[in-house]
Amino acid sequence: NAGVTQTPKFQVLKTGQSMTLQCAQDMNHEYMSWYRQDPGMGLRLIHYSVGAGITDQGEVPNGYNVSRSTTEDFPLRLLSAAPSQTSVYFCASSYLQREVDEQFFGPGTRLTVL
Amino acid sequence: KQEVTQIPAALSVPEGENLVLNCSFTDSAIYNLQWFRQDPGKGLTSLLLIQSSQREQTSGRLNASLDKSSGRSTLYIAASQPGDSATYLCAVTRTNDMRFGAGTRLTVKP
Repeated sequence: NAGVTQTPKFQVLKTGQSMTLQCAQDMNHEYMSWYRQDPGMGLRLIHYSVGAGITDQGEVPNGYNVSRSTTEDFPLRLLSAAPSQTSVYFCASSYLQREVDEQFFGPGTRLTVL
Repeated sequence: KQEVTQIPAALSVPEGENLVLNCSFTDSAIYNLQWFRQDPGKGLTSLLLIQSSQREQTSGRLNASLDKSSGRSTLYIAASQPGDSATYLCAVTRTNDMRFGAGTRLTVKP
C-alpha cells in the first residue's frame, strides 16, 4: 500500500492564481480530510468527506473548494490564491471518525503565495 | 468550541531521562485522542490512539494516559534517546472533526 499520497510537494503561486492540490489513498477509507498547518497553531481542518459525493466544511473553509467523485481521491482547490493561504497542507484518511479509527496522514504540500 | 493546549511548547532533556508531555482539552465529549510525532518538514506519524472508554495505551517506551473528566492526557517517554527528537502533537476527535494542539518540540541531547 502506498498509503496517503499528495502532489505536489512544493508549490509557489502568485496572488490570484488558482491551483489544485491532489490527495489519493489506497486503503479504501471512507473518510478523507484536508488540514493546514501554520507555525504555532497546530493543524486546522479545512474540509472533509465521509464518502464519495459527500463533503462538508471544517474550521477554516473560506477560499477552498473540494469534491469527492471517487473513494480514492480528494482534491483541494484554491480558487484565487492569497498570501494568507501560505501554509503546509496535509491530507488525511481513516475508515470513519469512530472511537477506534486511526487517522493516516500524507507527507504534505508546502505552498507559498507571493 | 474544542480548544486543545499542549504544555510545554518546547522541551530539552539529556539522553536517558524520562519525560512527560501534557495535553489538555476543553470539551470532554470526544471519541478518542491521538498522539502524533512530526519530524521537521515531514508528515504526521501516529504513535498512540486512546479510545474515550480507555484510560491508557502503551507502545514500547511510550505510554499515553487519558482522563476525560478533567480534559487531560499525558504522553510519557521512558529512557529518552536522541532519535526521539521531534514535535509531538495531540489531537482529539469528535464527530467528523479532529482538533489539534500546537505541539511540543522535544530535543534530546546526547
